[in-house]
Amino acid sequence: NAGVTQTPKFQVLKTGQSMTLQCAQDMNHEYMSWYRQDPGMGLRLIHYSVGAGITDQGEVPNGYNVSRSTTEDFPLRLLSAAPSQTSVYFCASSYSIAVGNTEAFFGQGTRLTVV
Amino acid sequence: SQQGEEDPQALSIQEGENATMNCSYKTSINNLQWYRQNSGRGLVHLILIRSNEREKHSGRLRVTLDTSKKSSSLLITASRAADTASYFCATDRNAGNMLTFGGGTRLMVKP
Repeated sequence: NAGVTQTPKFQVLKTGQSMTLQCAQDMNHEYMSWYRQDPGMGLRLIHYSVGAGITDQGEVPNGYNVSRSTTEDFPLRLLSAAPSQTSVYFCASSYSIAVGNTEAFFGQGTRLTVV
Repeated sequence: SQQGEEDPQALSIQEGENATMNCSYKTSINNLQWYRQNSGRGLVHLILIRSNEREKHSGRLRVTLDTSKKSSSLLITASRAADTASYFCATDRNAGNMLTFGGGTRLMVKP
């Protein structure tokens, strides 16, 4: 049981490049989400999904796309990287509301630098 | 914008002392959660308190919630050097775990 797995752990991009951050969970969680954490700050929600085929925007969605074709995977796409997207990105998953209030499980993060 | 504000931003104590961190938030919530983050690592869930609960314990952790004041506190008793980390409160408005985080408290416990 690996939990939430994010790849890559580190990435350097040039301005204007695109890339996909991968997130996979093996806990059969319905809910998945992406956050970014800037230095000295808490996490901010980028996009989230309440199940396969369903996604929605969080607090800071601009410049990012997501899709959820399977329960296990929730990739985050940077369309045209900008220096302002330099951050640490965390993926999280949890059970659905039907299960009740449950904790979110976080991946180890992807440290992205855009130059 | 962030939902919560945490106080203090940084806290330094000696091993064995208690550490108290406070969190304030702005809107109604379904539950409030506390997470720990060791340097350079992901977040680890510590405790969840529902909006209809006032106090919850887990080992050396005690969390209180005052919905009338929109505030929560996390108490770590008998702190250890291994408790050194950043601690974040996060609010969940609809039990969907779309969390809004505070800025965190950096705790240093000196041996």
